[in-house]
Amino acid sequence: DSGVTQTPKHLITATGQRVTLRCSPRSGDLSVYWYQQSLDQGLQFLIQYYNGEERAKGNILERFSAQQFPDLHSELNLSSLELGDSALYFCASSVETGGIGNTIYFGEGSWLTVV
Amino acid sequence: AQSVTQLGSHVSVSEGALVLLRCNYSSSVPPYLFWYVQYPNQGLQLLLKYTSAATLVKGINGFEAEFKKSETSFHLTKPSAHMSDAAEYFCAVSNPRDDKIIFGKGTRLHILP
Repeated sequence: DSGVTQTPKHLITATGQRVTLRCSPRSGDLSVYWYQQSLDQGLQFLIQYYNGEERAKGNILERFSAQQFPDLHSELNLSSLELGDSALYFCASSVETGGIGNTIYFGEGSWLTVV
Repeated sequence: AQSVTQLGSHVSVSEGALVLLRCNYSSSVPPYLFWYVQYPNQGLQLLLKYTSAATLVKGINGFEAEFKKSETSFHLTKPSAHMSDAAEYFCAVSNPRDDKIIFGKGTRLHILP
């Protein structure tokens, strides 16, 4: 158990809908990262927050947004869902930012299926 | 921009044989490098990391990796494969100028009895 908690574990929804994925980082960790894992794209970095502020952005679609709250939990919002958004979404956390070589700890992921 | 290339999306080795998983990186500044492992239906967990100390890094489960700046490589090895090593392995890079941690596409390791 990494200490990173993600909910829900599985989610099935229809195209055009909106979903929210939630992540609770390890106790004491200030950074939260979101990744999307799919068979064809591998593990894609989406976005990173540090202590409530956005620190780095990757290949995140405009239909997707995220935030980190004062209690340090984070939410990833996916809207106008398309079939291609079906993937495993990982949250990870670390004490500091990735730029200083910190180990990041992954949750078990949220499986999203868009039908 | 930093990037990671993992050669071979699938690698098969016999039980007891040497495991070699290849990773090459690109970074404009000295990088931090990581190997993570993902078992089925689980998240990724750290095997080992290089953060500019010793170039030969030892990790968990008998794995090690050597940082070679001249070859921009960070290949993962294990002298003797075990059936329990069957998993997907990811190489990742970060650096002090960028908060991103970028992962390669992964290499699935198959162990043959």
